[in-house]
Amino acid sequence: EFVLTQSPATLSLSPGDRATLSCRASQSLSNYLAWYQQKPGQAPRLLIYDASNRATGIPARFSGSGSGTDFTLTISSLEPEDFAVYYCQQRSNWPPTFGPGTKVDIK
Amino acid sequence: EVQLVESGGGFVQPGGSLRLSCAASGFTFNSHWMHWVRQAPGKGLVWVSRINSDGSSTSYADSVKGRFTISRDNAKNTLFLQMNSLRAEDTAVYHCTRDTSSSWVNNWFDPWGQGTLVTVSS
Repeated sequence: EFVLTQSPATLSLSPGDRATLSCRASQSLSNYLAWYQQKPGQAPRLLIYDASNRATGIPARFSGSGSGTDFTLTISSLEPEDFAVYYCQQRSNWPPTFGPGTKVDIK
Repeated sequence: EVQLVESGGGFVQPGGSLRLSCAASGFTFNSHWMHWVRQAPGKGLVWVSRINSDGSSTSYADSVKGRFTISRDNAKNTLFLQMNSLRAEDTAVYHCTRDTSSSWVNNWFDPWGQGTLVTVSS
């Protein structure tokens, strides 16, 4: 069974800190991985697709890297509006699936 | 501005039915595949269904296959999800979302509607 895992479950940081979020797949995804941000009470927003491409309008402080089974979302310097839950999603295996999420909260 | 606005959610007893709608605006609706993704209260995101641009091809998650039907009306820029034989585990916010590709299907989702809450309980 195909599984996406995200770590850590919660990341407690301060504004200005660098955030590094991990997504690991049980099988190779090539580069078919995306990242979404979801704030409380809001719809998810696409941040990164194809592992490293920023979606339209996404600030440059968000970057994605990785291929195969290990992927990383990096937020270079956290802004107050970046505290949210982040989900990875794969489209390499059918059906498309999401990871369980990483919550980035204020330390 | 691209907008997706869902409606039709509510409270329903197990075994009941609901029809969700998603009104799209700000883009060429009939060029994009569309998807439904759900989120149970306090839980993560789960893909539910997708439909191609002209409505001739559909796909479903195993958990809803045979119970849910996705459709679209391109003349009215509206996406639908007919949900029958509802179960408690179908309780979730249902989001409609656009596939990012306007020529094929990417299975990347952007943007998303705010969602409509479906509660299945006796």
